[in-house]
Amino acid sequence: DVKVTQSSRYLVKRTGEKVFLECVQDMDHENMFWYRQDPGLGLRLIYFSYDVKMKEKGDIPEGYSVSREKKERFSLILESASTNQTSMYLCASRHSPGGGYEQYFGPGTRLTVT
Amino acid sequence: EDKVVQSPLSLVVHEGDTVTLNCSYEVTNFRSLLWYKQEKKAPTFLFMLTSSGIEKKSGRLSSILDKKELFSILNITATQTGDSAVYLCAFLSSSNTGKLIFGQGTTLQVKP
Repeated sequence: DVKVTQSSRYLVKRTGEKVFLECVQDMDHENMFWYRQDPGLGLRLIYFSYDVKMKEKGDIPEGYSVSREKKERFSLILESASTNQTSMYLCASRHSPGGGYEQYFGPGTRLTVT
Repeated sequence: EDKVVQSPLSLVVHEGDTVTLNCSYEVTNFRSLLWYKQEKKAPTFLFMLTSSGIEKKSGRLSSILDKKELFSILNITATQTGDSAVYLCAFLSSSNTGKLIFGQGTTLQVKP
């Protein structure tokens, strides 16, 4: 079974802190994704990565950056956390190209910025 | 701008009821439509629909796509409390990025 893990289930940070969210997948997937999920807005794509050291902005990249130094690990960085970044953060991965198009999700990190 | 809209946003039913969840889309370069189920954890994949009019079925869940009218439905028959979840619909572009665009989700609560 595909396994996608995220470093924390719950995280509380203060405004202005630098925050790292880690995601690890164990299926050698090329593509990895970071979403945030907010009530009434569904999942919105922050950043994605085709492969190691490659990254693309999603729909809402402002205030975030990412790092993909190893194939299995995709990190989301909040340089200076703000209260409007309080949200559920979901990481996902998939094979590409030629694999199934479904994405496999991690359990999520609920981040609260106070 | 690509858009995926789900309805209703929330729904409360009793065990044994049949429910129909709707997903309509306005997108360019359509490739596939995907359904996910999300309980209090990671969304899990249910169906991927690429062709119009072909029903996909898994137990009490089924789904179909209408590419002419630009919508999909997810049916759940004989609902159980374990079906309580958020159901997410997502569109996949024909570009090779694998990027999904999600609707807002439908929150289904099944009461005993």
